[in-house]
Amino acid sequence: GENVEQHPSTLSVQEGDSAVIKCTYSDSASNYFPWYKQELGKRPQLIIDIRSNVGEKKDQRIAVTLNKTAKHFSLHITETQPEDSAVYFCAASLGGTSYGKLTFGQGTILTVHP
Amino acid sequence: KAGVTQTPRYLIKTRGQQVTLSCSPISGHRSVSWYQQTPGQGLQFLFEYFSETQRNKGNFPGRFSGRQFSNSRSEMNVSTLELGDSALYLCASSLQGGFDEQYFGPGTRLTVT
Repeated sequence: GENVEQHPSTLSVQEGDSAVIKCTYSDSASNYFPWYKQELGKRPQLIIDIRSNVGEKKDQRIAVTLNKTAKHFSLHITETQPEDSAVYFCAASLGGTSYGKLTFGQGTILTVHP
Repeated sequence: KAGVTQTPRYLIKTRGQQVTLSCSPISGHRSVSWYQQTPGQGLQFLFEYFSETQRNKGNFPGRFSGRQFSNSRSEMNVSTLELGDSALYLCASSLQGGFDEQYFGPGTRLTVT
């Protein structure tokens, strides 16, 4: 089955710096890659996603890049703010044939210091 | 639009007992997925239901089961509870699964003693 590796497990940055989280996946048939943010004690929330027919997607300070050949994708957060502090999860799925299954990475605890 | 709701929010059970958790999806969403979240294993997929049919299942023992009703509400059941079943159980709903965004509920925190 699909396996998703996520690095780093913890990331500490100063406010205003950039943060990058990387994930690799094992199933070359995966074609949908969402990123979720989970604040302490709260539910995971989708922050951005990308499909395999797209190499990069941006939404304000957040961007995701996908390298299908290398089977890895990354989350980039620019101009980080203290409210970006949370656990970030990457995930992979088979998209249209996934039938609701997301395979998640282990998560990255991001801390943004004021 | 109301979000995904889960009941109960907290539950304490004893080894060997069984438990039923409930999930009400966003109105109009027909797909409900269930996940187990633990510090050691992270978020792991349990199963997914769509139009009252289980379409996908993760690698969990048969003690974990679920069902979905005609109004898309879903329940999951865990029988013969083990200490290792202590976790946050999250459900997520989406329009039809696939590429559709999954909206998570607040979770049910299950503690097995």
